[in-house]
Amino acid sequence: QKEVEQNSGPLSVPEGAIASLNCTYSDRGSQSFFWYRQYSGKSPELIMSIYSNGDKEDGRFTAQLNKASQYVSLLIRDSQPSDSATYLCAVSPRGGATNKLIFGTGTLLAVQP
Amino acid sequence: ETGVTQSPTHLIKTRGQQVTLRCSSQSGHNTVSWYQQALGQGPQFIFQYYREEENGRGNFPPRFSGLQFPNYSSELNVNALELDDSALYLCASSFQGANEKLFFGSGTQLSVL
Repeated sequence: QKEVEQNSGPLSVPEGAIASLNCTYSDRGSQSFFWYRQYSGKSPELIMSIYSNGDKEDGRFTAQLNKASQYVSLLIRDSQPSDSATYLCAVSPRGGATNKLIFGTGTLLAVQP
Repeated sequence: ETGVTQSPTHLIKTRGQQVTLRCSSQSGHNTVSWYQQALGQGPQFIFQYYREEENGRGNFPPRFSGLQFPNYSSELNVNALELDDSALYLCASSFQGANEKLFFGSGTQLSVL
């Protein structure tokens, strides 16, 4: 079992729709969770962080965390073609070096105009 | 822009050679992490430097080594290059204790022929 799992996609949604991206992780003691956006040929960009169960909203983005189910998700409302990118889920493992993150392989999102 | 700068942007080496990649961290950040991202994969943690010492290492052989300087800039050295070392190398800076939020530079694309 991979430490952080994501569906590689592509996830295709029409412009204006809600895109839902999902991630599961294996280390039950993980404390910190992040979503990064990576455009093709570019480096990852931090878009959301979440540390406690529930929802966290920032503009069109909502991160959801359920530690009991070891599940974290990202919702993108009113999806735009500029949101087309790979979305990486990252988890800080228990007992690891501070600032070490375990990344999933990413989900490719394609927003169709 | 994150304020993290990496050089060079692209590099071509042959198998068996050695390479040095450089990173300047964002102002105010005292921790530098290095990640390797192979095509189609998420970034993988190589190691982290804090106060000029290695402060955590991923599953990479000793031919991957690094340095951090008093101004918090850093180098990644790879000896005896192998074809599988071809990847995007990402430097990320952060502030120790800031809930692992990483800010990535634009990366160095290394091709080993």
